[in-house]
Amino acid sequence: NAGVTQTPKFQVLKTGQSMTLQCAQDMNHNSMYWYRQDPGMGLRLIYYSASEGTTDKGEVPNGYNVSRLNKREFSLRLESAAPSQTSVYFCASSGLVSWETQYFGPGTRLLVL
Amino acid sequence: AQRVTQPEKLLSVFKGAPVELKCNYSYSGSPELFWYVQYSRQRLQLLLRHISRESIKGFTADLNKGETSFHLKKPFAQEEDSAMYYCALSRPGAGSYQLTFGKGTKLSVIP
Repeated sequence: NAGVTQTPKFQVLKTGQSMTLQCAQDMNHNSMYWYRQDPGMGLRLIYYSASEGTTDKGEVPNGYNVSRLNKREFSLRLESAAPSQTSVYFCASSGLVSWETQYFGPGTRLLVL
Repeated sequence: AQRVTQPEKLLSVFKGAPVELKCNYSYSGSPELFWYVQYSRQRLQLLLRHISRESIKGFTADLNKGETSFHLKKPFAQEEDSAMYYCALSRPGAGSYQLTFGKGTKLSVIP
């Protein structure tokens, strides 16, 4: 099993460009998450999806949209990238119980110029 | 609102010395608490969770509800313990369990 996979690994964008970060999991998890990791800020939740067909905002949703395409896939879209969105983005998935582990992808490094 | 505080950005210890990474939380309900670790160039992974009362790689953490703390401890640090450590709190919500992370502590073990 691959676990949680993310594409691309690295991307450079110009201000105003758009892009979609892809995430897929093969663990049959119901819940999926997108986080951003910034130096000195830890990980902050952008959006999450409790189950297929549902999405909810996290702590820092502004400037992002998400799509839960099916149970396996959860994408994050930047419609008009800004330098403040330069970050490392992590996707994660988990089961339905509060004490369950969240499994993380390898991350996508995004640089917005 | 819940909050997780890790007061130390960087902690340096010598190999063989004891390690304690501090974590304090604020939450009105009954929290589920975790420690996640990120080794250099690797993905974030679970180290341990309080509900399991387990010891992983020699690390332990005890939930102290009176002091609202969940400090991570290891009696003898090893060089391979050098990593970024995040304390996290889970709260139930809409069938999905969001994690609130602290800002992280970078542990550096000096040979």
